Amino acid sequence: QKEVEQNSGPLSVPEGAIASLNCTYSDRGSQSFFWYRQYSGKSPELIMFIYSNGDKEDGRFTAQLNKASQYVSLLIRDSQPSDSATYLCALIYMDTGRRALTFGSGTRLQVQP
Amino acid sequence: DAGITQSPRYKITETGRQVTLMCHQTWSHSYMFWYRQDLGHGLRLIYYSAAADITDKGEVPDGYVVSRSKTENFPLTLESATRSQTSVYFCASRGTGSSGANVLTFGAGSRLTVL
Repeated sequence: QKEVEQNSGPLSVPEGAIASLNCTYSDRGSQSFFWYRQYSGKSPELIMFIYSNGDKEDGRFTAQLNKASQYVSLLIRDSQPSDSATYLCALIYMDTGRRALTFGSGTRLQVQP
Repeated sequence: DAGITQSPRYKITETGRQVTLMCHQTWSHSYMFWYRQDLGHGLRLIYYSAAADITDKGEVPDGYVVSRSKTENFPLTLESATRSQTSVYFCASRGTGSSGANVLTFGAGSRLTVL
């Protein structure tokens, strides 16, 4: 099992601020990285994925990947109360010749109106 | 309706009873997965299936059995439920998103309580 570490939070930010969510991982061979959002009592839904070092932007969301330092981040600009949820980091790594997906335990984000 | 559906959504059972959680998807995705989610542990893979009649263990398979006789269905059975199996169970299938990425889509979840 490859480790994916996330601060459980809660991370509290005021409405309109930038929320920064971080994830570190242990396996240098990890290939693909995903951010899922999970509202309380609901199932996870994919927000973004990133494969290459650098930044990837999609609307208010930016994923940042630094493979040398083994971290991946999610920035949420102009945070809204509707962004309040748990954010799960996930990655794909090779496990005995097959691709495996593992999840972090998530960071709870609270956006204060 | 297109999508992935799980049933039952809520189940209370007693220790030692057999329980089956159902999962059905309409996309004809090859890959299907069962996860459990517990506080502090995130999502942990129980079993997955690459196609009909092909299944494999995940991280926490003990006490669970799966089958996949048809592409669209992937039931999960707890042969003799234990209290430690109280959890929220998510079924997921994997398809290719519009961007080409392999995307996991989750069902709504089944909340199981074992007394």
